Amino acid sequence: AQSVSQHNHHVILSEAASLELGCNYSYGGTVNLFWYVQYPGQHLQLLLKYFSGDPLVKGIKGFEAEFIKSKFSFNLRKPSVQWSDTAEYFCAVSKGTGGFKTIFGAGTRLFVKA
Amino acid sequence: DTGVSQDPRHKITKRGQNVTFRCDPISEHNRLYWYRQTLGQGPEFLTYFQNEAQLEKSRLLSDRFSAERPKGSFSTLEIQRTEQGDSAMYLCASRERTGANTEAFFGQGTRLTVV
Repeated sequence: AQSVSQHNHHVILSEAASLELGCNYSYGGTVNLFWYVQYPGQHLQLLLKYFSGDPLVKGIKGFEAEFIKSKFSFNLRKPSVQWSDTAEYFCAVSKGTGGFKTIFGAGTRLFVKA
Repeated sequence: DTGVSQDPRHKITKRGQNVTFRCDPISEHNRLYWYRQTLGQGPEFLTYFQNEAQLEKSRLLSDRFSAERPKGSFSTLEIQRTEQGDSAMYLCASRERTGANTEAFFGQGTRLTVV
């Protein structure tokens, strides 16, 4: 079955520190890859997405992610985090065919200390 | 607001009661999904509609759960004889007609508390 693994459940960083959140998925066919963010009290919002082409994807708020097909990975990065990045981050995968349902990882809760 | 809309935002119910939630997707989106999210977990897929047809149901969707999308627009999710384990955030998402190379847009969710 399709699955998504996020390496860290909780991450605590100081402002200006660099961030990397790991994500691996198990599906071997054509996939669409996503990172969603959920700020406290808000709904899920798309941070960035990969469909095809350049494996280095840039998203909103200075986030980027790199798709490494050979490693089935889609890690999220940000060079310098801000207090306002405190949120929960979800890696997600959907198949490129069929119902296109999105499968989520368990999430990584990021807390940025001011 | 042209996003995905869910109603109600919060629902508190007594165990054993029935509840119904509504989702209005983005108008041009023909694909609609229901998810459940519990504390500390990512959203878990429940069911999926393409237009009015329910094409996939998760094993998480017990026979107490039923979902409909009668005219291919809004959808309802009903839970009968609620149990405390049903307490969760219920999320609705919609996606464009083409499906491929698109993302799902999520509503704010309905938080269900069963007491």
